Amino acid sequence: GAGVSQSPSNKVTEKGKDVELRCDPISGHTALYWYRQSLGQGLEFLIYFQGNSAPDKSGLPSDRFSAERTGGSVSTLTIQRTQQEDSAVYLCASSLDSHEQFFGPGTRLTVL
Amino acid sequence: AQKVTQAQTEISVVEKEDVTLDCVYETRDTTYYLFWYKQPPSGELVFLIRRNSFDEQNEISGRYSWNFQKSTSSFNFTITASQVVDSAVYFCALSEANRGYQKVTFGTGTKLQVIP
Repeated sequence: GAGVSQSPSNKVTEKGKDVELRCDPISGHTALYWYRQSLGQGLEFLIYFQGNSAPDKSGLPSDRFSAERTGGSVSTLTIQRTQQEDSAVYLCASSLDSHEQFFGPGTRLTVL
Repeated sequence: AQKVTQAQTEISVVEKEDVTLDCVYETRDTTYYLFWYKQPPSGELVFLIRRNSFDEQNEISGRYSWNFQKSTSSFNFTITASQVVDSAVYFCALSEANRGYQKVTFGTGTKLQVIP
């Protein structure tokens, strides 16, 4: 009974480098969400995938951010040319159809 | 547009005290869901409760209870006889049933510290 998993758990990178964050949702969950949580802040919606529908990208803060979900399962969030303000915890969640979201442990990204 | 306000940024209580976390929401939809999540120091958010807009019955689960009042657009969360393990950040959230998918808006969270 695996929950949502994310990798890496921690990522330290230099400003200007690209990073990829991975999310493995709960098997069978059709919806997948990415959020960003800056230190001491709430959750900022980034992107949402639902089945085979076009993703809702309305929360992505800039065109440096992109995400894909392959085969309706694993998702990768990519941040290009990272900036220091990108430092945050990136949370992934998945859900079936009941609106209840199950969250992963997050990836803590630090941009030096 | 939907909005969730958690006016209490931080609360400290002494163990065994009762504490209420406030949540006020805004939505134009008549159909929506409200949630509470707990984020302990370990960081992983844990689902606590979901409420739909047609069910205003209050709910009790052990030491936890929730008071949903549509008239005041509030969904408050009370912990009775608080314990140190209740120390966490608590998030209230809202989703509107909108064409088959639900975009969830989270409040900024209330950090609860229970002092032994």
